[in-house]
Amino acid sequence: DAGITQSPRHKVTETGTPVTLRCHQTENHRYMYWYRQDPGHGLRLIHYSYGVKDTDKGEVSDGYSVSRSKTEDFLLTLESATSSQTSVYFCAISEGRSGETQYFGPGTRLLVL
Amino acid sequence: QQQVKQSPQSLIVQKGGISIINCAYENTAFDYFPWYQQFPGKGPALLIAIRPDVSEKKEGRFTISFNKSAKQFSLHIMDSQPGDSATYFCAASGGAGSYQLTFGKGTKLSVIP
Repeated sequence: DAGITQSPRHKVTETGTPVTLRCHQTENHRYMYWYRQDPGHGLRLIHYSYGVKDTDKGEVSDGYSVSRSKTEDFLLTLESATSSQTSVYFCAISEGRSGETQYFGPGTRLLVL
Repeated sequence: QQQVKQSPQSLIVQKGGISIINCAYENTAFDYFPWYQQFPGKGPALLIAIRPDVSEKKEGRFTISFNKSAKQFSLHIMDSQPGDSATYFCAASGGAGSYQLTFGKGTKLSVIP
């Protein structure tokens, strides 16, 4: 998985609780992305980062926030988890130029009860 | 909204047959078209990609055909094998926010012996 780790790999939480997912890379890539994957929806971009402390919203950003204090770490926070946020979350990295491959992590499976 | 439409949602092919997955896009600024392969429990991984300056790209048993005028591209898997059973996603990027990938919703391919 191209030097990308995600933690935790599995998590069960209750509605209303905050949740933080971590993505760590060892490739020194500039760009990092958070996607969610749901049946029938494919991969949808939540937030992305184009450098330390530089982040922007994706297609489905409501209810999520991100932070990037170091090149290698990109955190995704669900401020107050809802059942609709039950999903598989993937982190990806890339150099950031058009045509550059995005490399995906192994994913975090989140269940919100 | 930028979209990439992928079909079919699922595909069953006999071993040795040809698997064909189609995608259509709307944004004429797209200039990079990758296909990703995803096995259960894993993150997506780049399979093959094409730019619109060529109409076809082949890598082993995998071929991308590209029709710029029709804004369509397709993945052909020749001599399909049970090990090819996976979910396949087409994607596109280019233009404003060029490093961001827009994904199709995926095709689940099952190759039966």
